[in-house]
Amino acid sequence: EDKVVQSPLSLVVHEGDTVTLNCSYEVTNFRSLLWYKQEKKAPTFLFMLTSSGIEKKSGRLSSILDKKELFSILNITATQTGDSAVYLCAVGRNYQLIWGAGTKLIIKP
Amino acid sequence: SAVISQKPSRDICQRGTSLTIQCQVDSQVTMMFWYRQQPGQSLTLIATANQGSEATYESGFVIDKFPISRPNLTFSTLTVSNMSPEDSSIYLCSVEKGEGEQYFGPGTRLTVT
Repeated sequence: EDKVVQSPLSLVVHEGDTVTLNCSYEVTNFRSLLWYKQEKKAPTFLFMLTSSGIEKKSGRLSSILDKKELFSILNITATQTGDSAVYLCAVGRNYQLIWGAGTKLIIKP
Repeated sequence: SAVISQKPSRDICQRGTSLTIQCQVDSQVTMMFWYRQQPGQSLTLIATANQGSEATYESGFVIDKFPISRPNLTFSTLTVSNMSPEDSSIYLCSVEKGEGEQYFGPGTRLTVT
């Protein structure tokens, strides 16, 4: 059965810290791995990764995929209170996305 | 990316009634998706809606309970029928753009009393 596992499930850090969120997967017909940020209702797209070893970066956020070991990490440096959210990982299989349970990140001032 | 609107943004409904949620996209898309997110849970795909064909429902979801329309390439509706408190959730539509990324509408928060 296809599955996407995120860890940790929740994380509390102080402003300015660096965090690493993990996503491992076992999905047949892998197409891509995506990261989303969910603050209220709608998930906001962050990154899509298709190739191993190529880092995607946007400001303080970066992500990388390892297709051999079947995992991805999302790094956030110099965290701010506005980074508090649930971070979702999803793996594309054919036309569908298989979703992880999310990591709830809380940034304390 | 895509600009997606959903209506209503929230509603409180009585059990046994039905609610239709609308999803409008600013550009033509082939595939639209409807998700449900129950409190504290991740996203669950209800169905995939392609224009001109019947929606494809995921295991555990049936057309009688969640009828979907897709009259054109920029619009879709999801109806939650004969509602019960267990249907209280956030309902999200999304579209696929680019190389496979999905973009989401703002969501509809449904409370059934």
